[in-house]
Amino acid sequence: DTGVSQDPRHKITKRGQNVTFRCDPISEHNRLYWYRQTLGQGPEFLTYFQNEAQLEKSRLLSDRFSAERPKGSFSTLEIQRTEQGDSAMYLCASSPRRTSATYEQYFGPGTRLTVT
Amino acid sequence: AQKITQTQPGMFVQEKEAVTLDCTYDTSDPSYGLFWYKQPSSGEMIFLIYQGSYDQQNATEGRYSLNFQKARKSANLVISASQLGDSAMYFCAMSRKFFGNEKLTFGTGTRLTIIP
Repeated sequence: DTGVSQDPRHKITKRGQNVTFRCDPISEHNRLYWYRQTLGQGPEFLTYFQNEAQLEKSRLLSDRFSAERPKGSFSTLEIQRTEQGDSAMYLCASSPRRTSATYEQYFGPGTRLTVT
Repeated sequence: AQKITQTQPGMFVQEKEAVTLDCTYDTSDPSYGLFWYKQPSSGEMIFLIYQGSYDQQNATEGRYSLNFQKARKSANLVISASQLGDSAMYFCAMSRKFFGNEKLTFGTGTRLTIIP
């Protein structure tokens, strides 16, 4: 059983460029979450999916951000026209169906974005 | 809205001693879940322990226990017999419902350093 994987692990981009991150959840997990973590802070919720449906988006998710989970498996998070304030660690997590005995979200290693 | 407060930015503890990390929360929801995650320098969030709002007994997982005081809205993490490998950031988090398959709200974390 492999864990949550994210690609790339690190991304350096210039301001104004678009970037896309990928997350592969644990295979039988139907919910997938995106969080953003800036230096010295805890993760902040961005959005989450149940299968392919996006159930909730945070106000942090401006119109430059878009997330998809087209087939209910992997997900992508795209940031358009990146700004220096977008520099952060982007964390993906997944969780099993509600009837599972486990309650936690399983996190991936994160993608660290640096905007220069 | 939910809020998590962790008032200890950093703690230094002698190896083999017990340590308590503080967490207070605020919510108007009658049903919620409380979580503790560990984040080593590698960056990956590791689930430690869970407490449901209706659980009568404090949760325990090996060396970790959660001191849940509902009236005080506190959910402190106790680590017994600390080890050098416990040095990491620790985050308290909560979910809106009993299960953890909703968005999590995190605190700002406590950096724990174990001294040999």
